[in-house]
Amino acid sequence: DGGITQSPKYLFRKEGQNVTLSCEQNLNHDAMYWYRQDPGQGLRLIYYSQIVNDFQKGDIAEGYSVSREKKESFPLTVTSAQKNPTAFYLCASSIGGNYQPQHFGDGTRLSIL
Amino acid sequence: EDKVVQSPLSLVVHEGDTVTLNCSYEVTNFRSLLWYKQEKKAPTFLFMLTSSGIEKKSGRLSSILDKKELFSILNITATQTGDSAIYLCAASGGGADGLTFGKGTHLIIQP
Repeated sequence: DGGITQSPKYLFRKEGQNVTLSCEQNLNHDAMYWYRQDPGQGLRLIYYSQIVNDFQKGDIAEGYSVSREKKESFPLTVTSAQKNPTAFYLCASSIGGNYQPQHFGDGTRLSIL
Repeated sequence: EDKVVQSPLSLVVHEGDTVTLNCSYEVTNFRSLLWYKQEKKAPTFLFMLTSSGIEKKSGRLSSILDKKELFSILNITATQTGDSAIYLCAASGGGADGLTFGKGTHLIIQP
């Protein structure tokens, strides 16, 4: 079945550590997105990519980095510079363009040890 | 700065009631408005609206967009306990960037 797979489901980070969240899609979608969701808040855009080897910062990119070496994959690294990383991270993809809906993975919950 | 505001933020009703969720937006170069339902994990897509005044319907759910007044509503009739969820409204526009989300409406349906 086609879909978006995020892993791991739960992740714990120690102080000063970088961690990488995986997002893979087999929908042949061009565009991929990373959002962060905090309790009682809507989703906020971290990074997005419309095409392989190209990505753009969203509203809250500080302390995060991404890569887009393959169409199917868009990993997000939460660096030690992100001082408040505890949140629910959602990856999404779409065919591309603002007239296409985004579809989401099941998310990764990141916590600080 | 782009903004999406949802109301109410939370709502508790009884099974069988009809509910209306509101979403207003201010988005540069607005393209479309989307509604998602989020239970425990991934938001699931409900509707995408691009034209004013055209109702989209799926079972007991319906939604409409007013581009002049910059708002949308999501209606759920004959609510069931399975409708309990957070309903997210999002708007797209301004180039190829992602969606701007509201904070969501937390809907609880009591049996």
